[in-house]
Amino acid sequence: GQSLEQPSEVTAVEGAIVQINCTYQTSGFYGLSWYQQHDGGAPTFLSYNGLDGLEETGRFSSFLSRSDSYGYLLLQELQMKDSASYFCAVRDTQAGTALIFGKGTTLSVSS
Amino acid sequence: DSGVTQTPKHLITATGQRVTLRCSPRSGDLSVYWYQQSLDQGLQFLIQYYNGEERAKGNILERFSAQQFPDLHSELNLSSLELGDSALYFCASSGGVGSGETQYFGPGTRLLVL
Repeated sequence: GQSLEQPSEVTAVEGAIVQINCTYQTSGFYGLSWYQQHDGGAPTFLSYNGLDGLEETGRFSSFLSRSDSYGYLLLQELQMKDSASYFCAVRDTQAGTALIFGKGTTLSVSS
Repeated sequence: DSGVTQTPKHLITATGQRVTLRCSPRSGDLSVYWYQQSLDQGLQFLIQYYNGEERAKGNILERFSAQQFPDLHSELNLSSLELGDSALYFCASSGGVGSGETQYFGPGTRLLVL
């Protein structure tokens, strides 16, 4: 089957850098996505890596190594508003373009 | 604002009842996905429709069904409700020009079964 593993919680202070890791097992691979979800809110797309390497979008970057079945989300210059849950996701190879999500990493940013 | 709308925002009902959740996708998106989010199971894919046709099924119970209408809005029907069906139900859409791998999620419907 398919599965994704990510840490359940990460804490950091404002201005710091934090890395959220994700390892995946999947029979077919179409890339790794990251979503952010504030408490009770809708998941919001952050980034997608289809190929190995680093993708940068402002303060957020995402990395993928397909040979290691591993990726990470890097958040820089942390702000209080970055406190949220972060999910890595891959396509469900049994279900078209639907996504399988990791359990999520809760990031708490303190001042 | 993702452009995906869902109604109602909150729903409180009793065990054994039936409810209908409604979703309007982002303009131009042909795919609609339904996901269930609960504390113990996380975000789970239920079902996908593409341009009115069922495209894929995930962990959807037989008591649940969905459809997508010609105007592309979708409804998720949950029947014979049980306490364990209490969860956040999200609709997402994708497939529009330039959307790539992005799925756009609606605000969700919070269902409480008492």
